[in-house]
Amino acid sequence: QQQVKQSPQSLIVQKGGISIINCAYENTAFDYFPWYQQFPGKGPALLIAIRPDVSEKKEGRFTISFNKSAKQFSLHIMDSQPGDSATYFCAASYTGGFKTIFGAGTRLFVKA
Amino acid sequence: SQTIHQWPATLVQPVGSPLSLECTVEGTSNPNLYWYRQAAGRGLQLLFYSVGIGQISSEVPQNLSASRPQDRQFILSSKKLLLSDSGFYLCAWMTASYNSPLHFGNGTRLTVT
Repeated sequence: QQQVKQSPQSLIVQKGGISIINCAYENTAFDYFPWYQQFPGKGPALLIAIRPDVSEKKEGRFTISFNKSAKQFSLHIMDSQPGDSATYFCAASYTGGFKTIFGAGTRLFVKA
Repeated sequence: SQTIHQWPATLVQPVGSPLSLECTVEGTSNPNLYWYRQAAGRGLQLLFYSVGIGQISSEVPQNLSASRPQDRQFILSSKKLLLSDSGFYLCAWMTASYNSPLHFGNGTRLTVT
């Protein structure tokens, strides 16, 4: 019940295309859903995050869509660029909890 | 602003040797501190976390230990390294508040030979 399931494992997108990464969770106590971006040899960095009281959050080319009833959330990268090539992790946590539960990660490669 | 320092960046150690990785956080007080390990091409495995000085919670029984001697200092140790301890070790911090993200260091690449 503490798991966050992330798909796909890897993704290849043409430059200018839309990248979509999906995540699902079971624990309804989760109330914070961040996405992290990790480049090779670096630590993950917060990309964008959403709370379950909103269905969508957009920051530049990055959008989180959140479906509370389905317990699913997704990251959309519009106009994908080669510089977006990285590993993306979805995650979930809850108020009062000390741990962040991570998905397994998606390796995105954007072809020029 | 807050910063996290983690060192060394890379480390090659023989099997059976000791290990000490250090992480310090600046610009915040009483953070929650975390050690993660990431195998090549894999996800993030939580090893230890600490919510205060001297308070350590272990997530996975293994050949490693952690200590928090000061508020913003977190140390990962081993008395005798195994080949399976190779990996990318990441320190992270989080404020102990509502809906707070993790902030990661740049990691230590450990190779046990």
